[in-house]
Amino acid sequence: NAGVTQTPKFQVLKTGQSMTLQCAQDMNHEYMSWYRQDPGMGLRLIHYSVGAGITDQGEVPNGYNVSRSTTEDFPLRLLSAAPSQTSVYFCASRIERGASYNEQFFGPGTRLTVL
Amino acid sequence: AQSVTQLDSHVSVSEGTPVLLRCNYSSSYSPSLFWYVQHPNKGLQLLLKYTSAATLVKGINGFEAEFKKSETSFHLTKPSAHMSDAAEYFCVVSRPEEGADGLTFGKGTHLIIQP
Repeated sequence: NAGVTQTPKFQVLKTGQSMTLQCAQDMNHEYMSWYRQDPGMGLRLIHYSVGAGITDQGEVPNGYNVSRSTTEDFPLRLLSAAPSQTSVYFCASRIERGASYNEQFFGPGTRLTVL
Repeated sequence: AQSVTQLDSHVSVSEGTPVLLRCNYSSSYSPSLFWYVQHPNKGLQLLLKYTSAATLVKGINGFEAEFKKSETSFHLTKPSAHMSDAAEYFCVVSRPEEGADGLTFGKGTHLIIQP
């Protein structure tokens, strides 16, 4: 199993540009989520999905969109990038939402810089 | 509501000496608790978890943590630090009914190992 994969690893955008961060998992996990990591802030939840076709907002959703057309993929879209979105983004998955006592698997991250 | 406090943002120890990373939590009910490790430019990896079984939990790479309900603590320890332990460590509390994904992350402790 590849686990959770993310592309790209690094990205530089200009203010106002849009882009999609890709995330895929091959563990047949129902639950997937996106976090951003900023220095001294820990991880903050952006959006999550409890299964194909179902998404919901987390703690910091503004400026981001998600969709879940398949169990495997959960892309994160930045609609109009802003410098405040400079961060490291992690995608994660686990068996199901209600099973948060189970291990959550994380991707390697995407380091995004917005100029 | 639940919260997690990692009491030290940075901890520095010499190689071969004990490691102690402190975590206090607050939760209305008995939570599940995790420690994750993040090596530089990597995703998060599960070190160990507590899910209401034995209060002393052993994890990977010689780490262990003790759940103390009376002190609402879940400190991470290792008897002898190794250079490869240098990383960021996150304490995470889990309650499926709390919040969007049931997980609350601490802000992290940066562990520095001196040669």
